Amino acid sequence: SAVISQKPSRDICQRGTSLTIQCQVDSQVTMMFWYRQQPGQSLTLIATANQGSEATYESGFVIDKFPISRPNLTFSTLTVSNMSPEDSSIYLCSVDISGYGYTFGSGTRLTVV
Amino acid sequence: RKEVEQDPGPFNVPEGATVAFNCTYSNSASQSFFWYRQDCRKEPKLLMSVYSSGNEDGRFTAQLNRASQYISLLIRDSKLSDSATYLCVVRGNGATNKLIFGTGTLLAVQP
Repeated sequence: SAVISQKPSRDICQRGTSLTIQCQVDSQVTMMFWYRQQPGQSLTLIATANQGSEATYESGFVIDKFPISRPNLTFSTLTVSNMSPEDSSIYLCSVDISGYGYTFGSGTRLTVV
Repeated sequence: RKEVEQDPGPFNVPEGATVAFNCTYSNSASQSFFWYRQDCRKEPKLLMSVYSSGNEDGRFTAQLNRASQYISLLIRDSKLSDSATYLCVVRGNGATNKLIFGTGTLLAVQP
């Protein structure tokens, strides 16, 4: 399985600011996935990041709020823009190397105050 | 109706007990099925895939019933270390191959 390095592991941010989360994978992958897990809830897919093209966003998520970069096959960033307390959540990146199942980064625990 | 539904629990069981989790999914075209385990404040980790023929990994047995769109996970001889949230996960069809997560079932194994 893949090894994913995700950072920061946690942050406390002021409302109105933005935070960029990074994920580095130890092998090349076509697609990287960004999830959000709000307190006490399960994971919700935000978007799929493809190298060389625009990310594909799920219903309820827009590029202006969650811009994504995918400059190469091993790296992606997710930015949470103009944050509000409702954005407090855990954000996780994920990849599927073998088609067997997804591997997740360790998550970024975001608190917006 | 949610795409993947699970009983949220919590399931409180004594050590050594056998416990079963159930899950239903709404999209009959779903292709792959998984059980993930998520410990408190950690990322989800793949526990096992689920096949139509059923599959077993030590104390864990997973079953899939495509006709009923139903998935199960059986844990035998529960250990304290089995305490976690168990997520039923379904992979949709289509180009994105995205995973759809159930809300999870919380298991607490008591000494």
